[in-house]
Order: sequence, then structure tokens, then C-alpha cells
Amino acid sequence: DQQVKQNSPSLSVQEGRISILNCDYTNSMFDYFLWYKKYPAEGPTFLISISSIKDKNEDGRFTVFLNKSAKHLSLHIVPSQPGDSAVYFCAASKYGGSQGNLIFGKGTKLSVKP
Amino acid sequence: KAGVTQTPRYLIKTRGQQVTLSCSPISGHRSVSWYQQTPGQGLQFLFEYFSETQRNKGNFPGRFSGRQFSNSRSEMNVSTLELGDSALYLCASSFGPDNEQFFGPGTRLTVL
Repeated sequence: DQQVKQNSPSLSVQEGRISILNCDYTNSMFDYFLWYKKYPAEGPTFLISISSIKDKNEDGRFTVFLNKSAKHLSLHIVPSQPGDSAVYFCAASKYGGSQGNLIFGKGTKLSVKP
Repeated sequence: KAGVTQTPRYLIKTRGQQVTLSCSPISGHRSVSWYQQTPGQGLQFLFEYFSETQRNKGNFPGRFSGRQFSNSRSEMNVSTLELGDSALYLCASSFGPDNEQFFGPGTRLTVL
């Protein structure tokens, strides 16, 4: 039973446009959500997070939106750049911010075309 | 500041053998977590250690075990290897359990 779902395995976007990556979760106990970015042959790197007490968090070109009633979060990248091409993982925690025991989605491969 | 290092980077074993993977966290970090990444299942949590104590364990069989040493370095062991254990094993360290995790590059294990 997958508790964190990324239903789009891949996404292709033109440079300069918006990339929207989606993530759904089933466990209402999750209270902290994170996005990681992963390049081939490297470990994931932290991108942005959001606590369940907020519905939006912004960091430069990256914004994460959380809709608790729908158990849905999304990552917006504006404007998209070719260097953003990577696999993006959504992750959740139910330990009040503890990041040592994360439940990950299967990832979405983003391709940004010049 | 050096990042998380994992050794070896690549490993080939045969079914039935056992394997030990090593993780050296970032200096000063006391929390280490292990994850398994496979194409079909994505990233799955294995264990979390903090100050030599296992805090959490994922849903993996007892063939998977781990430990953390007093210098925060961690090892994980897989006994009686199966073909399905072929995966990228990722280690992540953080200052404490509630802090941002930094991932290592992973150990690519292939079981033949």
C-alpha cells in the first residue's frame, strides 16, 4: 500500500514555462512534507519543505502548495530551466518534522527542453 | 566540509552471500538513515540511527540489519542475498532526527 503517490512518472516542459509536479498521500497522520531532487549517480538533495500548518511555502523559483483536505501537494517551478531536469521525489513524515523516517513517492522525471 | 560518503560505490554479489555497506556521515552529524531505491518501489526507508540507537525500522525482513558506531559511522548488512536485493542503497545523515538530511551518492548492489 503506497502512502505517498506520484502518479506522473515523467513530465516534459519548455524552458521558461512553469513545471507542476504533483503528489498525493493517504495517511492523515503525515504532518511534514518535503521535495527532493535527484540527478543520476547522485543522492537526493533537499529542495523545499512544508509543515501541515501551512498551505504554501516559497523559496526562489520553487513553491510548494499543500491542500490537506485533498491530501495533495504540488511543487511549482517558475521559470523552468534545463538544469532543473532531474527526478523529483515527494516525501512525508508523521513525526513532527523528523526527517529520519521519510516515506517517499516513486518520483517524477522532469525534462526541461531548451 | 566533506559530504556523506558511502563505500563501496559498486558491488556485485551472488545469491546466498552476505554484504556489508558502510556510511560515513558529515562531521558533527549524529543521525543516520538508510534507504533502498529500486525502479519498481522507489525510495524505501530501511533504518534510522541516532547516537548508536536504532530509532525506527522500515518494513524489511530480518536479513537486513544495521548498526551505528560511537563515531556516528554506520553499517548495514544484508545476509542471504536474493536477486530482489539488487538496488541502490542510500545513506543520509543529519545533525539530529529533526534536521535536514544530506544524502550520500549510494552503493549500487547487484545480486547475480
